[in-house]
Amino acid sequence: QKEVEQNSGPLSVPEGAIASLNCTYSDRVSQSFFWYRQYSGKSPELIMSIYSNGDKEDGRFTAQLNKASQYVSLLIRDSQPSDSATYLCAVRIPPISGGSNYKLTFGKGTLLTVNP
Amino acid sequence: DAGVIQSPRHEVTEMGQEVTLRCKPISGHDYLFWYRQTMMRGLELLIYFNNNVPIDDSGMPEDRFSAKMPNASFSTLKIQPSEPRDSAVYFCASRAGSPYEQYFGPGTRLTVT
Repeated sequence: QKEVEQNSGPLSVPEGAIASLNCTYSDRVSQSFFWYRQYSGKSPELIMSIYSNGDKEDGRFTAQLNKASQYVSLLIRDSQPSDSATYLCAVRIPPISGGSNYKLTFGKGTLLTVNP
Repeated sequence: DAGVIQSPRHEVTEMGQEVTLRCKPISGHDYLFWYRQTMMRGLELLIYFNNNVPIDDSGMPEDRFSAKMPNASFSTLKIQPSEPRDSAVYFCASRAGSPYEQYFGPGTRLTVT
């Protein structure tokens, strides 16, 4: 079973709409969750982190976390063409064998296209 | 404040040659990560260091890959000998002990012909 799963897309939305990006993760006691934006040919850029259940808002971005459902999402309000990029979900998953060797595991990303 | 610095940005080499990628983490960050990104496999963690000590190298594909961190401000990832299947973008990232946000460098695009 893949540890972090995202719909590869492409997800296409019109300018000004809400874009909803989803991510599920495997059934471990995951603690920290991150959304990265990656423009074509560029490096991943951290845009949101969330550690507790519920919503976290930062400007046009809202991250939502539901640990019971093992689900984290990113909402982008008033989508702009400049938001067109691949969005990577990353989860800090504890090691199977125990200990403190935590690593970030990334999904393969969802390609978002915002049409003018 | 400077971000993570990587060099070179692009590397084209022939099969069998040695390749060395370099990384300078953000000052004050004590964790350093090396990732590889391909279309097929996405972003994969190769190895990470804490306070210059390798903690987990389970993602290193094989013995042809090695990484070092001689001091807090410099790390290298070496491939010897290189093969065409090593062609990918290699990212270095760093973070502080807490919080857990990682910050990526611009990457090195490696092409092995």
